[in-house]
Order: sequence, then structure tokens, then C-alpha cells
Amino acid sequence: GESVGLHLPTLSVQEGDNSIINCAYSNSASDYFIWYKQESGKGPQFIIDIRSNMDKRQGQRVTVLLNKTVKHLSLQIAATQPGDSAVYFCAENINQAGTALIFGKGTTLSVSS
Amino acid sequence: NAGVMQNPRHLVRRRGQEARLRCSPMKGHSHVYWYRQLPEEGLKFMVYLQKENIIDESGMPKERFSAEFPKEGPSILRIQQVVRGDSAAYFCASSPQGANVLTFGAGSRLTVL
Repeated sequence: GESVGLHLPTLSVQEGDNSIINCAYSNSASDYFIWYKQESGKGPQFIIDIRSNMDKRQGQRVTVLLNKTVKHLSLQIAATQPGDSAVYFCAENINQAGTALIFGKGTTLSVSS
Repeated sequence: NAGVMQNPRHLVRRRGQEARLRCSPMKGHSHVYWYRQLPEEGLKFMVYLQKENIIDESGMPKERFSAEFPKEGPSILRIQQVVRGDSAAYFCASSPQGANVLTFGAGSRLTVL
């Protein structure tokens, strides 16, 4: 079964607010995590990734936090914009050859102006 | 770089017919992955292939589904004797050797009447 899941299926925010999307995973052996964004009718797009030897990684307007103690991953989006409206998926795998990414169910982010 | 190319983008089949979905990976990528996405759900891993080899098919249904990635040409996901439950979006992703990040195509949406 799936080992990656998300806490909330939907999140609604106002433009300009910060958004936090959460993900819990259950496989202790997972050591690589990715966040993808999927807009309606499109394929998932890479946002940011993090390895298990880190607890925080920052990109442009996005930050991923990893808490291995409680097996929790979060994506923070600063100054959320209408263009950020999409479904966000976390994914994990074990960093060895021959393994594929396992995805959670996704959180739908809706940004209103 | 054209990215991961999938065709057809939309495919309609009647129950009992065959569906063939094609995927050309990004230039320089030797690994191909197929995922299925049901409406309002996450991506379910199906199969992971390298040229002429199936590396992991643990997510493939035991019957009617097959995948190949020949030495020349695109990867093909083949669904025989389709049923209504096969209606879904099928996404292909590719990666270079040894990489964790997958680049996804826009998907092929199969509708079974």
C-alpha cells in the first residue's frame, strides 16, 4: 500500500498569504523526497526536493521542511499567487537503483484574489 | 529539448478494444516510468523500464496490461480488452541514469465507453 499521504485534501488561501502543505510518510527507509505541482489537465511539475540528511531546503518562494523524527514533510509557499493554484503531491523513494517515486494523494490549493 | 512526449493525448475506446499509449523520454534519459491517475486521486506507480528491460513492474495489473521500451522507438503501454475501470490519465516520466527526479509528460487520457 501507499506509504505517503497528505493531511488535508484541500487548502484555500488569500493571495499574498503564506501556504503550508503537509505530508506524512510511513516508510522509515525513505531518504529522498520531492514536491510536485500539477495544474489541471497537465502532468506533474517538479518544485523542490530534499534528501534525508537535510531538514530544510529553500527555493524561489518555496521551502521544504523534513522532520524525520515524526516522518513529516511540509511545503511552504511564500506570498501565494493565483498561479499557485494546483494540486500538490509529495513523493518519496529509497535512494537506490531500481526504485520508483511513490506519490501521496495530493492537496488542492486554491488561491483567491 | 521537447521534454517527455506522450501520445495520443486523448484516446477513446469501447470495452474489449485495445489501447496503446506511447511515450518518448527526454533526450538523454534512459529510464521510463508509467503512472496511472484516477480522477481526484494521486499517481499510482505501474512500471519502470530501461531500454529493453523491465526493472520493476510491481504496480502493473497481472492481466491485460503490458509495457515495453524497445531499443529503438518510444516506450509503449498496452492495455488489452479494456474495461470501464481502465479509464484514467496515464502519465509517463523519464530520468537520466542514477537520478531521482522524474520529468513527466502531459499524460494520455483514456476513456472507455
